[in-house]
Amino acid sequence: QVQLQESGPGLVKPSQTLSLTCTVSGGSITSGGYYWSWIRQHPGKGLEWIGYIYSGGSTSYNPSLKSRLTISLATSKNQFSLKLNSVTAADTAVYYCARDLWGFDYWGQGTLVTVSS
Amino acid sequence: EIVLTQSPGTLSLSPGERATLSCRASQSVASNYLAWYQQKPGQAPRLLIYGASSRATGIPDRFSGSGSGTDFTLTISRLEPEDFAVFYCQQYGLSPWTFGQGTKVEIK
Repeated sequence: QVQLQESGPGLVKPSQTLSLTCTVSGGSITSGGYYWSWIRQHPGKGLEWIGYIYSGGSTSYNPSLKSRLTISLATSKNQFSLKLNSVTAADTAVYYCARDLWGFDYWGQGTLVTVSS
Repeated sequence: EIVLTQSPGTLSLSPGERATLSCRASQSVASNYLAWYQQKPGQAPRLLIYGASSRATGIPDRFSGSGSGTDFTLTISRLEPEDFAVFYCQQYGLSPWTFGQGTKVEIK
């Protein structure tokens, strides 16, 4: 059974970088031809796709975040990561990682990141 | 980007009733790459339907999806108490992937 778990700071100061890691267990991140996505949900709001990294390393980002965003793989640790630069209060959200092929079939539990001084 | 509009915003129904949720796309969704999710408070979304009409693993057959092009429907044939939640549609036919704003199915 595939499981995903987000980790990282729950509080980030404005203008700094938000960094999160998703650890995948129950399967290799480089096999199966999957995409590995980040999705966020602002408090009380809907879902927003942030971007994905393919198991081969290529990426696709939401244009609304592209200029501030980096998603990378750490294959030896079976992890993928998110870095979002120059954050503001508008980046406060629950951040989810998910496996992506025909829809998002496995999700992490989500982690709340608050941007505040 | 493809904008998905879900209706109604809220659906008030009783257990045992049929629920019909709509998702309309601003342009045709390639290959009917449309998924439906259920989200309960404090939980991650759960994939129900992919490819517009295929049930995900472990999803009861009271959940069904239909539609093509720009108009899609999620039907719950008989609502069980555990089905009351928020439902989202999502397209993965054209980047950026996008979600609808959600339909809340609440107990009447």
